[in-house]
Amino acid sequence: QSVLTQPPSVSAAPGQKVTISCSGSSSNIGNNYVSWYRQLPGTAPKLLIYDNDKRPSGIPDRFSGSKSGTSATLGITGLQTGDEAVYYCGTWDSSLTAVVFGGGTKLTVL
Amino acid sequence: QVQLVESGGGVVHPGGSLRLSCAASEFTLSIYGMHWLRQAPGKGLEWVAFVRYDSSAKYYTDSVKGRFSISRDNSKNTLYLQMNTLRAEDTAVYYCAKSPSNWYFDLWGRGTLVTVSS
Repeated sequence: QSVLTQPPSVSAAPGQKVTISCSGSSSNIGNNYVSWYRQLPGTAPKLLIYDNDKRPSGIPDRFSGSKSGTSATLGITGLQTGDEAVYYCGTWDSSLTAVVFGGGTKLTVL
Repeated sequence: QVQLVESGGGVVHPGGSLRLSCAASEFTLSIYGMHWLRQAPGKGLEWVAFVRYDSSAKYYTDSVKGRFSISRDNSKNTLYLQMNTLRAEDTAVYYCAKSPSNWYFDLWGRGTLVTVSS
């Protein structure tokens, strides 16, 4: 059971937009920055979003992040088949004194 | 090429020990917080441990406290994870990751597989 809650799967057609939610509590998302990662099969995770809504160099603006209260959202526009992957949200939990993650969301581009 | 390379994984019996290493290339490890994370087969990401840039603070996930120890040698540009009293549930790919600030990971290694089995 993950501390952060993500939907197990989402799907959308190529070119469309999808959002992935990440729900937590005041001890984690509510008072700490959220980051998002993408993991392709057999590879290490890659940072997509940090500090709730910032994109690292090299990440296209098709990817966006937002946070409201104890929830965060990853948005991906202009979906491509290459976006098929598992997406994770993560943050610091002040009560657990630990980094916590969501269980991951598998994105299927139909 | 800026990268992290893990080594030291392998097969070990329950109760055994392993030491993982993570070597940094083309950047200086000494100014960053560093983490170990793991991923059990077919499962999600799990954070394991953190060490501050100067080793003045260390944090661990509850399930490894008292068994694992994170350390670093900035003169060797290397991060370590000493794992003792290993259990079957420690079986996973172990990743090291660099953290500029605010508990996110902007550079990951490729991982090293640890299998705990009799």
